[in-house]
Amino acid sequence: DIQMTQSPSSLSASVGDRVTITCRASQSISSYLNWYQQKPGKAPKLLIYAASSLQSGVPSRFSGSGSGTDFTLTISSLQPEDFATYYCQQSYSTLWVTFGPGTKVDIK
Amino acid sequence: QVQLQESGPGLVKPSQTLSLTCTVSGGSISSGSYYWSWIRQPAGKGLEWIGRIYTSGSTNYNPSLKSRVTISVDTSKNQFSLKLSSVTAADTAVYYCARDIVVVVAATPRSGNNWFDPWGQGTLVTVSS
Repeated sequence: DIQMTQSPSSLSASVGDRVTITCRASQSISSYLNWYQQKPGKAPKLLIYAASSLQSGVPSRFSGSGSGTDFTLTISSLQPEDFATYYCQQSYSTLWVTFGPGTKVDIK
Repeated sequence: QVQLQESGPGLVKPSQTLSLTCTVSGGSISSGSYYWSWIRQPAGKGLEWIGRIYTSGSTNYNPSLKSRVTISVDTSKNQFSLKLSSVTAADTAVYYCARDIVVVVAATPRSGNNWFDPWGQGTLVTVSS
């Protein structure tokens, strides 16, 4: 089974900062990696699918990159509404889904 | 636009069966080539995929839960359901339903991608006597 790790597990940043979150798979998953944002008490929201495709309605300050085992989610200029927890997710075989442990972004 | 809403008991006794229903509105559960999934999240912890169903009735389950999980669909009611048997306190979590977009790129060996969008708001299920 494919394991997902994320780093850092948490970070503190200021409004306007450029933020990068990394997700690593235990084996190659091509570009089959997705990113979600979850705010407290809310359901996760899809941000990026297939490593770099921006979901409709998601601000362009969010971007994703990577392939194989290493992926990044970048927020180009952190906004107040971006403070949340971010999860990566894979399902390379499409038969079994795993999520990363999450990265919490809070206010410095 | 499609919306999902979970419903069911918020309290289940240990060893009993947890039963939840997800009602899909704003579109037919049978339209498009979508799967429908259940995902859960214990308080303060990460996300765990439980399983999915296609409107044909085809299912995939998380191997760690497979022996206890049944997911079914009722297209006439635009609903799909989760049953989790023999629950313990470890099954206490917020349970989400979500539309599951599955893209199979290669059949042998099977590979592709899936993502979840949209999600229901979630429902808290507590397992306690």
